[in-house]
Amino acid sequence: AQSVSQHNHHVILSEAASLELGCNYSYGGTVNLFWYVQYPGQHLQLLLKYFSGDPLVKGIKGFEAEFIKSKFSFNLRKPSVQWSDTAEYFCAVNGDTDKLIFGTGTRLQVFP
Amino acid sequence: NAGVTQTPKFQVLKTGQSMTLQCAQDMNHNSMYWYRQDPGMGLRLIYYSASEGTTDKGEVPNGYNVSRLNKREFSLRLESAAPSQTSVYFCATRRGVTTLGNTIYFGEGSWLTVV
Repeated sequence: AQSVSQHNHHVILSEAASLELGCNYSYGGTVNLFWYVQYPGQHLQLLLKYFSGDPLVKGIKGFEAEFIKSKFSFNLRKPSVQWSDTAEYFCAVNGDTDKLIFGTGTRLQVFP
Repeated sequence: NAGVTQTPKFQVLKTGQSMTLQCAQDMNHNSMYWYRQDPGMGLRLIYYSASEGTTDKGEVPNGYNVSRLNKREFSLRLESAAPSQTSVYFCATRRGVTTLGNTIYFGEGSWLTVV
């Protein structure tokens, strides 16, 4: 069965600090991987996705993620965060069935 | 998220009451999903439907039933609501049927409180 782990539950950073949020998945076959963001009071929005090809994926708002198959990881990064990046971030994995499973989320707070 | 419509947006129920959350999509997608979101628990899959006429259990199906009425509509029913079902419910859709590479689209959520 597929599963997703996000080990950072709550991250606090100052503006301009670099960000890396961890995501590990468990699934033996081909996967699609996603990062979603949920700003306070809003619904989920897609940040970026990995389907195949270049394991370094660039998304919106300066975010990127790297798929490392040997480590079953898909960590999210941003070189310099802004106060407006304060939100909750969800990693999700989809194997070769139609089941899409989410992690428990990481709450990011950025202080000016 | 034009294209995925959930109703109602807000609902308060008494323990033991029943209700149905409706979801409709106009994107001609095959796959539809119901998730619940709770603090510290992320999004958990309740049920999903890979195509019209099929439904499958997700991670937390107990206490819920679903109906894939047609390609457009996927409803979630609580037969006897419990306080533990207080949550935000999201409907989602995706084009593919076991087709890798398709992005999922979410509705705006339904806030349900069971007292």
